[in-house]
Amino acid sequence: GESVGLHLPTLSVQEGDNSIINCAYSNSASDYFIWYKQESGKGPQFIIDIRSNMDKRQGQRVTVLLNKTVKHLSLQIAATQPGDSAVYFCAEIPRNAGNMLTFGGGTRLMVKP
Amino acid sequence: DSGVTQTPKHLITATGQRVTLRCSPRSGDLSVYWYQQSLDQGLQFLIQYYNGEERAKGNILERFSAQQFPDLHSELNLSSLELGDSALYFCASSSGTHPQPQHFGDGTRLSIL
Repeated sequence: GESVGLHLPTLSVQEGDNSIINCAYSNSASDYFIWYKQESGKGPQFIIDIRSNMDKRQGQRVTVLLNKTVKHLSLQIAATQPGDSAVYFCAEIPRNAGNMLTFGGGTRLMVKP
Repeated sequence: DSGVTQTPKHLITATGQRVTLRCSPRSGDLSVYWYQQSLDQGLQFLIQYYNGEERAKGNILERFSAQQFPDLHSELNLSSLELGDSALYFCASSSGTHPQPQHFGDGTRLSIL
């Protein structure tokens, strides 16, 4: 498969543990945020989104937290599984920017069995 | 499966050449986006089309152009290719132009020799 971002920060977790992936965004005017998962050889896959009028949103096994004060976004994955191993990207859309995504640099999650 | 189809999956060509990458969006989606993913720059937004019209432009070189056809498929044309154009090129689609998840294809890997 493809190697994306060979020098990405890496988070290594034990199977069954919870994972927390962090993202610092740049634009204080951003009001929509998305987390994507990219597996080797695949395109980014939508995981969860959150709007700036929320602090927290939960999905299936995933939670996104938004701290607008410090421009920080995090993705929490509960009971991490080997299939969660991938590169995770946060992306932001500034207000009045239509649907133009600006992606962060990505974090590689490695799950140890 | 995101429903976004990109062809070809791999393309190998030489410097100075011209190539065309093709994208079929998810059924019902009117917006198409093109992104470039290289090892050193992550995912970079290139251009967006909505219902046949150019909607937004990002960091797209003048040597690159795109269009969206009446059947909503899109093509990205890359000309006078340089070694630095080697990258993964992704297409994404969404239903409209307001902030919402974009759904990505699995990309075209372009290698310039």
